Amino acid sequence: QSALTQPASVSGSLGQSITISCTGTSSDVGGYNSVSWYQQHPGEAPKLFIYDVSNRPSGVSNRFSGSKSGNMASLTISGLQAEDEADYYCCSYTSRPTLVFGGGTRLTVL
Amino acid sequence: QFQLQESGPGLVKPSETLSLTCTVSGGSIISSTYYWSWVRQPPGKGLEWVGSIYYSGTTYYNPSLKSRLTISIDTSKNQFSLNLASVTAADTAVYHCAREYSRSVQQWGQGTLVTVSS
Repeated sequence: QSALTQPASVSGSLGQSITISCTGTSSDVGGYNSVSWYQQHPGEAPKLFIYDVSNRPSGVSNRFSGSKSGNMASLTISGLQAEDEADYYCCSYTSRPTLVFGGGTRLTVL
Repeated sequence: QFQLQESGPGLVKPSETLSLTCTVSGGSIISSTYYWSWVRQPPGKGLEWVGSIYYSGTTYYNPSLKSRLTISIDTSKNQFSLNLASVTAADTAVYHCAREYSRSVQQWGQGTLVTVSS
């Protein structure tokens, strides 16, 4: 199965908003409302930030939001903070059935 | 407090079998709500879903690993395990065990680095 497509890097200034895209196919992102997003700081395990496209687990800031249109999902982070600097991964359920991750996006906060 | 903890050798020789166990604490592995999974991450690279298992023993595998992969569960010990046969250097990675909920990886173990080298 092919990895979902994410930009390798994005950057934004403190207080700004950024969006990370995640592109798949009709067999994964487009076929199910089962897209999740993870934040990973260096040396740490990933942490779930968004599930089922747009739901936040308890404790995750409402500055993080998810959406989906067709075969593309997006993660938006508003009011960027220094601690948001990390790697972000999208993930989708697939028709096989399996899960497939994106290649990851490095967020730099300027 | 719910936790997942990986255990197993940190060094495996090429062509041999990589074996890891995940011990679940703070909750029962017998649950109709969750799947139990393995996710790996080669050094400096992205995440790769390896496979998952339901408490009944039903398994789901990454197609690229399916021919070499076995995931099993021991409900009496609250553990699940991964066996990956015929390993090569490409299998060197941090292996995380995890709990899946609603088709997402909800909880992660800290991960264990497995290096394939002679």
